[in-house]
Amino acid sequence: GAVVSQHPSWVICKSGTSVKIECRSLDFQATTMFWYRQFPKQSLMLMATSNEGSKATYEQGVEKDKFLINHASLTLSTLTVTSAHPEDSSFYICSATGGVNYNEQFFGPGTRLTVL
Amino acid sequence: GENVEQHPSTLSVQEGDSAVIKCTYSDSASNYFPWYKQELGKRPQLIIDIRSNVGEKKDQRIAVTLNKTAKHFSLHITETQPEDSAVYFCAESAGTALIFGKGTTLSVSS
Repeated sequence: GAVVSQHPSWVICKSGTSVKIECRSLDFQATTMFWYRQFPKQSLMLMATSNEGSKATYEQGVEKDKFLINHASLTLSTLTVTSAHPEDSSFYICSATGGVNYNEQFFGPGTRLTVL
Repeated sequence: GENVEQHPSTLSVQEGDSAVIKCTYSDSASNYFPWYKQELGKRPQLIIDIRSNVGEKKDQRIAVTLNKTAKHFSLHITETQPEDSAVYFCAESAGTALIFGKGTTLSVSS
């Protein structure tokens, strides 16, 4: 149980285009989903927290107009990187909570974004 | 704000030796302390966690200790094996969001 999927697993796009990443909880209802980015050889940095049906809460320094987060249902959250630039290239990972252990986060497999 | 310091950043041990990674946190409201193992290009995997009402927890070769007074917690891996080689992250939470340490790259040589 407690499986989180992410799609796509990798994407390459041209500078200036937008990319959407989906995060799904497959066998539980995720009351809260989180989006992280991870640069090579660095730690996971929390970008935003989203609760179903409400606006996401962004961490300091994360542009909400650039990283659009939608959490329309208890099993799906999307992250859209708008007008992507090479510096946005990173590993984006989502996680979800909602199980019996409300603290425990279940991570998706990540999406490798490369912006040319 | 919340901060988690993790040491060491790299750790090399011989197979069979023990490995210890330490983390210090600043938020006195923190009540959940998980440890994750991450292999290159993969998702973090929860290997053990501990809550603030417990001082120690063990699962086979892995143990975690928590000192709430000193605000630090440690991961102990005994009888290390080459497959234990990975990056390990500590994290802490006072609610739902996790704050991660910078990670420790563990290398176990046979």
